[in-house]
Amino acid sequence: GQQVQQSPTSLVLQEGENAELQCNFSTSLNSMQWFYQRPGGSLISVFYNPSGTKQSGRLTSTTVIKERRSSLHISSSQITDSGTYLCAMERDMGYKLTFGTGTSLLVDP
Amino acid sequence: EAAVTQSPRNKVAVTGGKVTLSCNQTNNHNNMYWYRQDTGHGLRLIHYSYGAGSTEKGDIPDGYKASRPSQENFSLILELATPSQTSVYFCASGDAYEQYFGPGTRLTVL
Repeated sequence: GQQVQQSPTSLVLQEGENAELQCNFSTSLNSMQWFYQRPGGSLISVFYNPSGTKQSGRLTSTTVIKERRSSLHISSSQITDSGTYLCAMERDMGYKLTFGTGTSLLVDP
Repeated sequence: EAAVTQSPRNKVAVTGGKVTLSCNQTNNHNNMYWYRQDTGHGLRLIHYSYGAGSTEKGDIPDGYKASRPSQENFSLILELATPSQTSVYFCASGDAYEQYFGPGTRLTVL
């Protein structure tokens, strides 16, 4: 089965609304990373977050390794936040990542 | 500026043909990776490397070979391309903390 489960699969927001994206892992992990991908585009690292809470502007990531979960909070969403958000876990030494299937976010004006 | 570049960006190949996808990084990272991205599967690891001369099998290596002739370059080779290998391929380089991705190569095998 899927080692990395992301929810929701898709999300539509009105500009200015907040979003909470979830990532759950079925196996133990060393760390995890959040990526952003524009349609047809490459992946951009948003957070490397092995544990605890990190904030960058309107984005906040919280990872609880013992509970095998991580979340990405987007506050005051903007149209330019639209795209796909992927989480990935580093599952063993060697820095190999296992990805979730992503959350597709659309922010409407 | 540190970067990961891939070539070609788009490729159409015929079934049974040989395809080579190239990746170059200026990050001076030891680790490099090849992934493919398909709808419903997310990104899956094909091959990776810890440095020049080394290649390791990832989660879905069947039908693919890899080559790492130098720190900067990492190639993915499809000796006998099949339609099931139609996908978007991403190369990445990384250190202990993060991975940095190239722009992707869209491969279509007819």
